[in-house]
Amino acid sequence: EAGVAQSPRYKIIEKRQSVAFWCNPISGHATLYWYQQILGQGPKLLIQFQNNGVVDDSQLPKDRFSAERLKGVDSTLKIQPAKLEDSAVYLCASSPTGTGYNEQFFGPGTRLTVL
Amino acid sequence: SQKIEQNSEALNIQEGKTATLTCNYTNYSPAYLQWYRQDPGRGPVFLLLIRENEKEKRKERLKVTFDTTLKQSLFHITASQPADSATYLCAPSGSARQLTFGSGTQLTVLP
Repeated sequence: EAGVAQSPRYKIIEKRQSVAFWCNPISGHATLYWYQQILGQGPKLLIQFQNNGVVDDSQLPKDRFSAERLKGVDSTLKIQPAKLEDSAVYLCASSPTGTGYNEQFFGPGTRLTVL
Repeated sequence: SQKIEQNSEALNIQEGKTATLTCNYTNYSPAYLQWYRQDPGRGPVFLLLIRENEKEKRKERLKVTFDTTLKQSLFHITASQPADSATYLCAPSGSARQLTFGSGTQLTVLP
């Protein structure tokens, strides 16, 4: 079974530029999550999708971050414009359903550096 | 506000010993709690899940306890090996079956 795929793996941009991350979850997984992990901290949930609908985006800074999940499969997370404090690893995870106790399967992450 | 605390410092133990990691949470009552392992440059990997009505769960050399009165979970690795060196994250569940991750404990098993 293929795991969660993310690209790019690394990205360096200057502040005020825009950036986009892509995630392809495990086939058949209905729930998709985007997390932000700052160095030395645990992952922090940004947004949760169930199929192509948003379940929770309460911690997503909506003035600069946006995310979509078209056709309930792949997802993109965008930051525009980026700030220095956005430097972090952005993790995508998926699970078979959001209504049980299912474990989450994480991708390798995208390391973003904002200069 | 909800708060999760894991061992505040990195944990170093000798190979063959039992490692015990602590996860304390405040201001909420999770229905279950998960433990993940994270290696440098990689995403977290699921290890174990324990429900609120379970006191203890085991998987090979791993054991997790869940005390809802103390609001604490303990994670044990018996007969530890250098390959067990990693950061271990606890994640109590929240609403909508979401997880809130602690900051993790960095475990180093010395040969």
